[in-house]
Amino acid sequence: AQKVTQAQTEISVVEKEDVTLDCVYETRDTTYYLFWYKQPPSGELVFLIRRNSFDEQNEISGRYSWNFQKSTSSFNFTITASQVVDSAVYFCALSEADSGTYKYIFGTGTRLKVLA
Amino acid sequence: DGGITQSPKYLFRKEGQNVTLSCEQNLNHDAMYWYRQDPGQGLRLIYYSQIVNDFQKGDIAEGYSVSREKKESFPLTVTSAQKNPTAFYLCASSIDLTSLDSPLHFGNGTRLTVT
Repeated sequence: AQKVTQAQTEISVVEKEDVTLDCVYETRDTTYYLFWYKQPPSGELVFLIRRNSFDEQNEISGRYSWNFQKSTSSFNFTITASQVVDSAVYFCALSEADSGTYKYIFGTGTRLKVLA
Repeated sequence: DGGITQSPKYLFRKEGQNVTLSCEQNLNHDAMYWYRQDPGQGLRLIYYSQIVNDFQKGDIAEGYSVSREKKESFPLTVTSAQKNPTAFYLCASSIDLTSLDSPLHFGNGTRLTVT
């Protein structure tokens, strides 16, 4: 069965610390996409990044970076110099084929609290 | 600005009553989805739709119904048959269901409380 595991339920850090959110996935497909979403207190999930299964290049966007390793089936997300505004629930998701259409499988989320 | 509008933000109902949650999008997306979010369980798919007048059950469709009479609208009805309806409901859309890389766009959600 395909699934996405975010083992960290909640993480608390002090502002300016670096923090890494872990995501491990399982799939039998060779072609798939991985995503990260941010859910602030307002409730709306905001798309952050996608990565396809053939592109293992790490990506950096400002204070955010993502490390994709197929060998360990992981797609980890690092926030450098965290800020209070980074406080949110972060979801990792896998997009995989299912009978001709594509479905998302979400992890259970990691709640990040950044303390001032 | 294009986006997804869910209403109302908070909804309170008595047990045994049906309730309909609204979802409207102006992104011109073909695919629309309803998810349920419970603490510690992530997002679970209730129903999804690729085109008007067509929709499919997701993983937890029992006790729910939907309609897709217009491309822009995908209302969700929580019926009295749903045993545990209190939850946070999220509507989403994507370009279509055949693009593996298409991210989901979400509304702000509706928090339903049934007593």
